[in-house]
Amino acid sequence: AQSVAQPEDQVNVAEGNPLTVKCTYSVSGNPYLFWYVQYPNRGLQFLLKYITGDNLVKGSYGFEAEFNKSQTSFHLKKPSALVSDSALYFCAVREASNTGKLIFGQGTTLQVKP
Amino acid sequence: SQTIHQWPATLVQPVGSPLSLECTVEGTSNPNLYWYRQAAGRGLQLLFYSVGIGQISSEVPQNLSASRPQDRQFILSSKKLLLSDSGFYLCAWSIGGFGETQYFGPGTRLLVL
Repeated sequence: AQSVAQPEDQVNVAEGNPLTVKCTYSVSGNPYLFWYVQYPNRGLQFLLKYITGDNLVKGSYGFEAEFNKSQTSFHLKKPSALVSDSALYFCAVREASNTGKLIFGQGTTLQVKP
Repeated sequence: SQTIHQWPATLVQPVGSPLSLECTVEGTSNPNLYWYRQAAGRGLQLLFYSVGIGQISSEVPQNLSASRPQDRQFILSSKKLLLSDSGFYLCAWSIGGFGETQYFGPGTRLLVL
């Protein structure tokens, strides 16, 4: 069965410092991986995805993610955190079917302090 | 460009009352449509998905049902709400082949009292 794990409930970073939000996955076949961000009482916003190709994927708002097949990881990164990056982040993997169903991790709260 | 709407934005309903949440998508045709529930601001639980008009797949047996009367309309319903139905309901759409992205609506906050 496919699954996604986000091992940290919360990540605290000082503004201007680099940030990493961790995600590991388990899939059969090629992984299709996604990162979303959710601000309070809002829907999820798509940040980036990995389908194939370059292991470093660049997305919205300066975020990027590194796909590591040997470690089955897809960590979200940003070189310099902003207070406005504080939000709930979800990693997801696409189920191996024709329906496009996504399996989400439990989410990681990112807190960026000034 | 495509947009997705959900209404109402918030809803407070008594236990045992009916429910109808609506989701519509503009700017695309024949999308895949999804209903998720998010409890306690954390993980998302897929409730229903639809690949076409009248085609509904249920992920979790429960008090809720879904319908897709039109290509870009997805409705979540209940005949009698339970306290446990409270949560944040999110609709999403996707289109295309493998690796397609799901795009989410703004959500509906439901409180059952």
